[in-house]
Amino acid sequence: QQQVKQSPQSLIVQKGGISIINCAYENTAFDYFPWYQQFPGKGPALLIAIRPDVSEKKEGRFTISFNKSAKQFSLHIMDSQPGDSATYFCAASRTSGTYKYIFGTGTRLKVLA
Amino acid sequence: DARVTQTPRHKVTEMGQEVTMRCQPILGHNTVFWYRQTMMQGLELLAYFRNRAPLDDSGMPKDRFSAEMPDATLATLKIQPSEPRDSAVYFCASGLVPPKEGYGYTFGSGTRLTVV
Repeated sequence: QQQVKQSPQSLIVQKGGISIINCAYENTAFDYFPWYQQFPGKGPALLIAIRPDVSEKKEGRFTISFNKSAKQFSLHIMDSQPGDSATYFCAASRTSGTYKYIFGTGTRLKVLA
Repeated sequence: DARVTQTPRHKVTEMGQEVTMRCQPILGHNTVFWYRQTMMQGLELLAYFRNRAPLDDSGMPKDRFSAEMPDATLATLKIQPSEPRDSAVYFCASGLVPPKEGYGYTFGSGTRLTVV
């Protein structure tokens, strides 16, 4: 019940294309879903996050789509750029109690120039 | 920009030696996490603290790992004795709970540990 399943494990996209990473969760008590971006040699950095009261959140080229009934959420990177090449982690959390994140296993994205 | 500072950035040690990793959380943050990252396991939560009190360390091997917060500006993670399977990148993250706008934890740059 505590797992967050993330797919794909790796992704190669042409410059200008759309990158899509999917995550699924089991625990319906989760009510906060952040995405983190990690470059080699760096710590993960918060990219964008969503709460289940909205179905979509957009920040620049990054969009989270959220499907509460399916318990799934996804990250879309529009007009993907070589600088977006990084590892992306989804996470789920409760905004009460422990507030700890449960992370997905990560997706290594490579955007070809 | 406020940041989480971890030292050392890299550590190579021999099996059986004690290793201490340090973390300076962002001033004003009341929650500190320790994560371990490996290719096989991804990001594993080892321990976390709220207002310097340990809340959960169930992810840590108790016989060799210990985590403490001697004061609000310092969190430590110790491994004694170290083993080759402990080789990984160890991250510290801090945050404010309950969160304000833009809720999210800030990660440090990590300590890359190699045990030979």
